[in-house]
Amino acid sequence: EDQVTQSPEALRLQEGESSSLNCSYTVSGLRGLFWYRQDPGKGPEFLFTLYSAGEEKEKERLKATLTKKESFLHITAPKPEDSATYLCAVLLSGGSYIPTFGRGTSLIVHP
Amino acid sequence: KAGVTQTPRYLIKTRGQQVTLSCSPISGHRSVSWYQQTPGQGLQFLFEYFSETQRNKGNFPGRFSGRQFSNSRSEMNVSTLELGDSALYLCASSLSGTGNTGELFFGEGSRLTVL
Repeated sequence: EDQVTQSPEALRLQEGESSSLNCSYTVSGLRGLFWYRQDPGKGPEFLFTLYSAGEEKEKERLKATLTKKESFLHITAPKPEDSATYLCAVLLSGGSYIPTFGRGTSLIVHP
Repeated sequence: KAGVTQTPRYLIKTRGQQVTLSCSPISGHRSVSWYQQTPGQGLQFLFEYFSETQRNKGNFPGRFSGRQFSNSRSEMNVSTLELGDSALYLCASSLSGTGNTGELFFGEGSRLTVL
């Protein structure tokens, strides 16, 4: 059973059409939750770290939020250049400092 | 500053062969992690090296090995290649490991195809 589940697997939006990506986790003892962006043919690029429920982080059109069992990446008025795969990862407390990644959400924004 | 550099970017091998991939981390970064990325499994952790020592290891067979040199550059080796080893192999560096920040700096990866 996956510890980190991302949904939807794929999402198509029109430019300007806001939406949210979900990352849910089944583990307890969360040390941190991370969001990455990955463009085709490239390695993932770090976006945010969230540490505790209620925390929010923003960067341009992206806002990440965290609850006790899931995180949302809200995309406001997306542009075609926001098209990418978005990955989330969790880091557990008390264990090795190795994050567990979800399988990602592939986002395509049409002009 | 220069990012994480991985070589080669693309390679094709046949079953039974072995392959060595190289990673040069960001200057000053002492932790290097390796990941395998496939469409079916996503990003899977292989191992992490810190100051020339393997600090963490993922759930991969012994055919997968790695090492880190005194200048923090790292190599990973896969012996007796299988078709299922076809994947994008990503290297990530950080100052001292993921720690609490979660910030890993990834290279562009080495795309391995096994025929």
